[in-house]
Parts: sequence; structure tokens; C-alpha cells
Amino acid sequence: EDQVTQSPEALRLQEGESSSLNCSYTVSGLRGLFWYRQDPGKGPEFLFTLYSAGEEKEKERLKATLTKKESFLHITAPKPEDSATYLCAAQNTGNQFYFGTGTSLTVIP
Amino acid sequence: GAVVSQHPSRVICKSGTSVKIECRSLDFQATTMFWYRQFPKQSLMLMATSNEGSKATYEQGVEKDKFLINHASLTLSTLTVASAHPEDSSFYICSARWTATYEQYFGPGTRLTVT
Repeated sequence: EDQVTQSPEALRLQEGESSSLNCSYTVSGLRGLFWYRQDPGKGPEFLFTLYSAGEEKEKERLKATLTKKESFLHITAPKPEDSATYLCAAQNTGNQFYFGTGTSLTVIP
Repeated sequence: GAVVSQHPSRVICKSGTSVKIECRSLDFQATTMFWYRQFPKQSLMLMATSNEGSKATYEQGVEKDKFLINHASLTLSTLTVASAHPEDSSFYICSARWTATYEQYFGPGTRLTVT
């Protein structure tokens, strides 16, 4: 069964304390792995798409990486404004999307 | 680029009334639009997928007669919650993509409260 699992559910970091969020996926033929940021009461904001194992993408303090089984979202020297829920989703070759339940990140000043 | 809007952002209605939510792609033509529902502290639950000019494909367990979806143009899709009840209260989010991409771009969401 295709599914996406994110860990941890919640993460509290001190400002400047780097860490990684995990997204494990099991899909029948990965077409794309997506990361989104969602602020409370708002729709998800697109961050990255990764297509194949070994691929990496960066944007400011965020870097996403992909292996054949999981993806990581690395946050370097986070700031309080990075506090949000981070969602990952996997799309299979049948064009079906599977979303994880998200990691709620809180960065403490 | 890739901006999706939703209207209204919040709606409060009485039980038994119908509510229409609009989803628009502002700077691209959306060949496919998706409607999601999200409960507090939970992930997105896909309700239906619609392609322009075609009938929507509903996920298992979603009542098509209650959640009416119309994708009449490449920039507009609507979700009508028919005869809403308190259990329909939720955060509804649409997303859109165009043929050449895999990414979905999300709207800001609509908070529906049925009293």
C-alpha cells in the first residue's frame, strides 16, 4: 500500500539549532516527492520537488534531499519565522498523491 | 507565479443551507484541480480531482451528491457543499496544477463553520 510517513510529529528547536525532518515513502513508482510549508489557517506553500534519488534542492535555510526510501528536509540555523508545519507528499506513476501528516516545527528565539 | 486564490476565506452558515467555494488559478491555466479537507492538526484529505470540462473523480467515502464540484474553465473550479450540517465544518483547500508540471499549488483555504 502506498503511503508517506513523517517524523517527528513535532520538533522544538532553539534559534540557530540545525536539524532534519524525515519523510519516509512507499509508493509504486515515484514520480515526484514534494515538500510544502503550511502556516496555521493557511494553505500549503510549495517549497521543493525532488524527482530521483540523490537529488538535492536548496532554498535559503532549507535543503531537501532524496533517497530511494526517504527524503530529508534539513534546516540550517533556523529562525523563529521558520516555525510552521512542514508537509511532504509523494506522487506515484498513477498520478496519485499521498500526503504525510506533517512535522510541526517551533523555533524558539 | 502559480498563484491560486479561494473565496470566501471564511463562511458561517446555518444547517441545511448550501455553500459555494470558488477556487481560481490567477496566473496559469489549471488543467487539474484538487479539493482537500483538513481537520485540526491533521493532514490533507483528498476529496476529489477535477479536470477541466470533465466530471470530477471522487475519493472513496466522499458523497458526490453532497460535495458538488464543477471545473467549468481552466481557471475556475467550484465546490458546493449541499445542505451543510455541523459535521461538514472544516477547512477546505483547493490546489491546481497544469499539464507540464507535477507540483500542486494550493489556495489559502476556506474555513467553513456550520451552526
